[in-house]
Amino acid sequence: GAVVSQHPSWVICKSGTSVKIECRSLDFQATTMFWYRQFPKQSLMLMATSNEGSKATYEQGVEKDKFLINHASLTLSTLTVTSAHPEDSSFYICSARAPGGLGTDTQYFGPGTRLTVL
Amino acid sequence: AQSVTQPDIHITVSEGASLELRCNYSYGATPYLFWYVQSPGQGLQLLLKYFSGDTLVQGIKGFEAEFKRSQSSFNLRKPSVHWSDAAEYFCAVGYPYNQGGKLIFGQGTELSVKP
Repeated sequence: GAVVSQHPSWVICKSGTSVKIECRSLDFQATTMFWYRQFPKQSLMLMATSNEGSKATYEQGVEKDKFLINHASLTLSTLTVTSAHPEDSSFYICSARAPGGLGTDTQYFGPGTRLTVL
Repeated sequence: AQSVTQPDIHITVSEGASLELRCNYSYGATPYLFWYVQSPGQGLQLLLKYFSGDTLVQGIKGFEAEFKRSQSSFNLRKPSVHWSDAAEYFCAVGYPYNQGGKLIFGQGTELSVKP
């Protein structure tokens, strides 16, 4: 149980184009999903918190107009990197929170999406 | 604000030897603590978690961790390391559900295993 998928697993795009990444919770409903960015040999940096049916909450320094997040259902959140540039190349990882009661919920992570912008 | 420190960037152990990965946290209340493992190019897999109760937590793959409030630590241990344990290990502290539930990660410790 508690499986999270991401699609695509890797994508290469040209500078200036937009790329959409999907995050799905396959066997549970996730009212909250999180998007992280990870540079090589570095830790995960939280980009935003996505709540179903409401606007995402972005971390300080993350451009909300560049990284569009939509959480339209309890099992799907999408991250769209708009007008991508080479500096947006990174490993993007999503997680979904599986509630287990107050204080016991846990985040389960997707396998990540490798984005390369040429 | 919460923070997590993993003092060791890279550790090398021999196969069959014991392992301890260090994690220190900063948080004003009882923390929710996690250890995740990441294999190359992969997402994160939950090894174990601590919310409350017994301070010695058992996880998957033979790992355990001990919460020590007095030392603000949550070190990960394994009595006998296997070559397949080579990976990146992340300690994380979590905000409670009613405060958004987000995770703050440490810098990670890369584990190499010598044959």
